[in-house]
Amino acid sequence: GESVGLHLPTLSVQEGDNSIINCAYSNSASDYFIWYKQESGKGPQFIIDIRSNMDKRQGQRVTVLLNKTVKHLSLQIAATQPGDSAVYFCAERDTGFQKLVFGTGTRLLVSP
Amino acid sequence: NAGVTQTPKFQVLKTGQSMTLQCAQDMNHNSMYWYRQDPGMGLRLIYYSASEGTTDKGEVPNGYNVSRLNKREFSLRLESAAPSQTSVYFCASSDNAGPNEQYFGPGTRLTVT
Repeated sequence: GESVGLHLPTLSVQEGDNSIINCAYSNSASDYFIWYKQESGKGPQFIIDIRSNMDKRQGQRVTVLLNKTVKHLSLQIAATQPGDSAVYFCAERDTGFQKLVFGTGTRLLVSP
Repeated sequence: NAGVTQTPKFQVLKTGQSMTLQCAQDMNHNSMYWYRQDPGMGLRLIYYSASEGTTDKGEVPNGYNVSRLNKREFSLRLESAAPSQTSVYFCASSDNAGPNEQYFGPGTRLTVT
């Protein structure tokens, strides 16, 4: 798998700002793209997913955008809160397979 | 519901020792997974089990074995631990109807000296 070494990309925002976390994926055959959140010392937690035939999906305070032309996925968090501070991972899955392939993650730091 | 539980939470091994990491889920999920997470990296799939009685290799299976004991339990065994296996290990489970949403345990932090 790919590696960015020991240092995760970090996004620092102020409380109340909107955050945008980006992810580049490599497999054009993936049918689903998923975002997970991992708080310090815990296992990852599912946030939202999007199927490859969609370009936008909204959840509670989150929006995922998919651009298949440039193989790019983003997670937008509205009105970011200190509790949103975590590492965010994108993942992809092929239809017919149960397994996910995870990206390397982005750390989001929210200051009050 | 406890969700996904893992034991132990922490473990230190010497090179060459063996151990089994235990995982159990109480959500009646068909699929279970073992991942490792190294500093600054994402999760890499070691093995998974799509249903009771079946197991398949993931991205990094070398040095590990698994057993799907029943629908609830999925164990990961290190037969001869190596320092390269120092990592945090996560177990997860998912339902076939919603495979994108995996439920993760709290992790086991393993150090091999």
